[in-house]
Amino acid sequence: SQQGEEDPQALSIQEGENATMNCSYKTSINNLQWYRQNSGRGLVHLILIRSNEREKHSGRLRVTLDTSKKSSSLLITASRAADTASYFCATDANDYKLSFGAGTTVTVRA
Amino acid sequence: EPEVTQTPSHQVTQMGQEVILRCVPISNHLYFYWYRQILGQKVEFLVSFYNNEISEKSEIFDDQFSVERPDGSNFTLKIRSTKLEDSAMYFCASRDRGMAAEAFFGQGTRLTVV
Repeated sequence: SQQGEEDPQALSIQEGENATMNCSYKTSINNLQWYRQNSGRGLVHLILIRSNEREKHSGRLRVTLDTSKKSSSLLITASRAADTASYFCATDANDYKLSFGAGTTVTVRA
Repeated sequence: EPEVTQTPSHQVTQMGQEVILRCVPISNHLYFYWYRQILGQKVEFLVSFYNNEISEKSEIFDDQFSVERPDGSNFTLKIRSTKLEDSAMYFCASRDRGMAAEAFFGQGTRLTVV
C-alpha cells in the first residue's frame, strides 16, 4: 500500500509550543502532501513537497522529506489554539488515487 | 474562492434504502474523488472519476456503490441498499490535474443508516 502512517496518533501541547508529527510510507512517491481537518469538516490542503525536495516552508509550517527513510515530518511552530485539528499526510499512487494516513490529532491548550 | 459543495450536509436513512450524495466540484477541475471517513477513523479512498469514467476504485466500492456525472457539473455517489456500516462522513474532492495537484474537499455529507 502507498498509504502514509502518522505518528504520534495524538499530541497535546501548550499554546506557543511547537508540534511535530511524522509520516511514513511504503513505496516510492512523486510527492507528499499534508492536509488538515477541523473536527467533522472537510480536509484542507496545507503543503506539498516533491520527491526531489528535502524541506519546504509555508508560514509557521515546515515540512521535511527523507525519501531514503520513506518518511516526512510536519512541524508547526508557535502553535495557537486555532491549530487544534487532525493532520494527515497523503501520497499519490497515480493521477487517480490520493491515499491518506490515519492522522495525528493535535490539541493546543490555551 | 472556488469551492467544492456537497449536499445534503446530513442524511438519515433506513437500512436497505437507496441514497444519493451530491457534489459540485470546482468547475475547471478534471479529476473527481469520493472518500469516506467513519467517525474518528482514517480517510478511506472509495473511487476516482476522470474523462467520464471510473479510473480507480477501492475494495470498499462494491456493486452497491455507483458514481455519475450526469450533467457536466454534478458528481453523485449512489449507495443502492444501505447497510449500518455505511454510516460515515462522505467527502467529495476534485483536482484540476492529477498527481502532485492539491485536492479540494467539500465539507462532507454525514450519512447515518438506522
